[in-house]
Amino acid sequence: GEDVEQSLFLSVREGDSSVINCTYTDSSSTYLYWYKQEPGAGLQLLTYIFSNMDMKQDQRLTVLLNKKDKHLSLRIADTQTGDSAIYFCAESFSGNTGKLIFGQGTTLQVKP
Amino acid sequence: SQTIHQWPATLVQPVGSPLSLECTVEGTSNPNLYWYRQAAGRGLQLLFYSVGIGQISSEVPQNLSASRPQDRQFILSSKKLLLSDSGFYLCAWSVPGTANYGYTFGSGTRLTVV
Repeated sequence: GEDVEQSLFLSVREGDSSVINCTYTDSSSTYLYWYKQEPGAGLQLLTYIFSNMDMKQDQRLTVLLNKKDKHLSLRIADTQTGDSAIYFCAESFSGNTGKLIFGQGTTLQVKP
Repeated sequence: SQTIHQWPATLVQPVGSPLSLECTVEGTSNPNLYWYRQAAGRGLQLLFYSVGIGQISSEVPQNLSASRPQDRQFILSSKKLLLSDSGFYLCAWSVPGTANYGYTFGSGTRLTVV
């Protein structure tokens, strides 16, 4: 079945790199996403990667995809206190429904 | 530009009372619409999605229902709330056939059932 797993918590120091990991089960996923949720707010799309890509870089964000192991990671370089939030990975499926299956979310705590 | 409105932002309701949460989208036609629930300390659970007016798919059997009376309006309802219905409810939309754009989420409704 469809399942997305993430570790629940990550703590880093300001200026360090953060790596948030995610595993998924459905190899037919077409796109994989990272969303950010700040306290009390909705989710904001950070970045996405197409399933035939290995890596995507967008400023401080680097997404790595290992399709063989069904493993997705988000690296945040030079982590800032404003990066403190919950990060969700999600996978999508082909077809018109546009359904996304989300992981449980990883809470990133950035210490000054 | 496309926007999504969700209200109310917070709601406290007694057990057994009815519920109606509304979500509207502007600036796009025939969007796919979704209701998610985020329970405290947990991830997002897809409750309902809709690919067109009157077309509702339910993902999880529960005490809730959804309706789409107009193209850009999505309503989440309950006849009698349970304590377990407490959570953060998020509406989202996507453009059919453009999966790479992901979803755009509303700002959410914090529901507390007491």
